Amino acid sequence: EVQLEQSGAEVKKPGESLKISCKGSGYTFTRYWIAWVRQMPGKGLEWMGIIYPGDSQTRYSPSFQGQVIMSADKSISTAYLQWSSLKASDTAMYYCARTSADIGAAWFDPWGQGTLVTVSS
Amino acid sequence: EIVMTQSPATLSVSPGERATFSCRASQSVNSNLAWYRQKPGQPPSLLIYGASTRATGIPARFSGSGSGTEFTLTISSLQSEDFAVYYCQQYGNWPLYTFGQGTKLEIK
Repeated sequence: EVQLEQSGAEVKKPGESLKISCKGSGYTFTRYWIAWVRQMPGKGLEWMGIIYPGDSQTRYSPSFQGQVIMSADKSISTAYLQWSSLKASDTAMYYCARTSADIGAAWFDPWGQGTLVTVSS
Repeated sequence: EIVMTQSPATLSVSPGERATFSCRASQSVNSNLAWYRQKPGQPPSLLIYGASTRATGIPARFSGSGSGTEFTLTISSLQSEDFAVYYCQQYGNWPLYTFGQGTKLEIK
């Protein structure tokens, strides 16, 4: 079974750094892109960017370029999303999802269970 | 950026009845359109891809149609687990994905 397992909830203060993870299993991790999606409290889904674990290529949404960094460690089938200086407005649920670079197959499936990030002083 | 617009924002339907959701793209995405369902407290899950193909395990009461800029998701006979939020997503402008703002399906 293809699965994505995300790291647990985080509570941080403004200005702190954070790195959350997404571990893939049940498939060849290096052959699919991983997408990150933000969902702010009570709001809809926002695509943040994608990373290809095979060679760590990244593509960012213009809305998130420069705000976060995506990385991957293919040796442990894990993708990461990190912030260097969190803001209260980063409070949200963050999901990872598997996708393809084949435009005809680039939907998101499956999704991780989500990581809730709370930033508060 | 391709903007995806879903309507209505909220849909009130009785169990056993039909629900129809609309999604419009600001420019053509061909058939590169997916639908997701998000139940409360859960991540989204894939329902439909390629505008009209049901994902694995999705029951036949779910159907998708459309191409280009106009798309529809229909649930033929609503079950209790269908009351959730539904999102459309275009992936035709890879890698610049965009989601619609969502339609909440509530019990009438």
